[in-house]
Amino acid sequence: DVKVTQSSRYLVKRTGEKVFLECVQDMDHENMFWYRQDPGLGLRLIYFSYDVKMKEKGDIPEGYSVSREKKERFSLILESASTNQTSMYLCASSPLGGGNQPQHFGDGTRLSIL
Amino acid sequence: AQTVTQSQPEMSVQEAETVTLSCTYDTSESDYYLFWYKQPPSRQMILVIRQEAYKQQNATENRFSVNFQKAAKSFSLKISDSQLGDAAMYFCAYAPQRPTSGSRLTFGEGTQLTVNP
Repeated sequence: DVKVTQSSRYLVKRTGEKVFLECVQDMDHENMFWYRQDPGLGLRLIYFSYDVKMKEKGDIPEGYSVSREKKERFSLILESASTNQTSMYLCASSPLGGGNQPQHFGDGTRLSIL
Repeated sequence: AQTVTQSQPEMSVQEAETVTLSCTYDTSESDYYLFWYKQPPSRQMILVIRQEAYKQQNATENRFSVNFQKAAKSFSLKISDSQLGDAAMYFCAYAPQRPTSGSRLTFGEGTQLTVNP
């Protein structure tokens, strides 16, 4: 089975801190994604990557950046955390191909910014 | 831009009964894929079922089936013989066919399903 591992299940940070959320997948997938999940809004795409060192903005990239130095690892960075970034963050991966490739998700990181 | 709408924030069903969750979407594409994902309290998103838009036959997976109405842009999920383990948040999602899109998903708002014993 595909395993997508997010480094933290819960994380508490302070306003203004630089925050790193890490995601690792073990199935050699080309595509990796970062989503934000908020009640009543579903999941919204922040950034995705289809290859090492490649990245594409999703629907809500403001305040975030990403890094993909190795194929298996995709990091989400909050440059200067703010309280409105308190949310659940989900990482996903999928193999190369069209929309028929289902995404495999991690367990999520519940991030609180105080 | 594609949009996905789930108009039922919450639904409940008695154990062993049948429940239908609604989903509508909007797209100008002719080829695409639709998915239902389940997120139990453990937070692990699990793929429930997938439908290819060019296939007229509705997808089924054991107790789960869909009613795909392409012209109406409707994609509902039917759960038969509901079990306590079906209690979860259910998300409808859309993906375009184009491989250059990186198979990015657009999700609906979610429907919280409660199963009553």
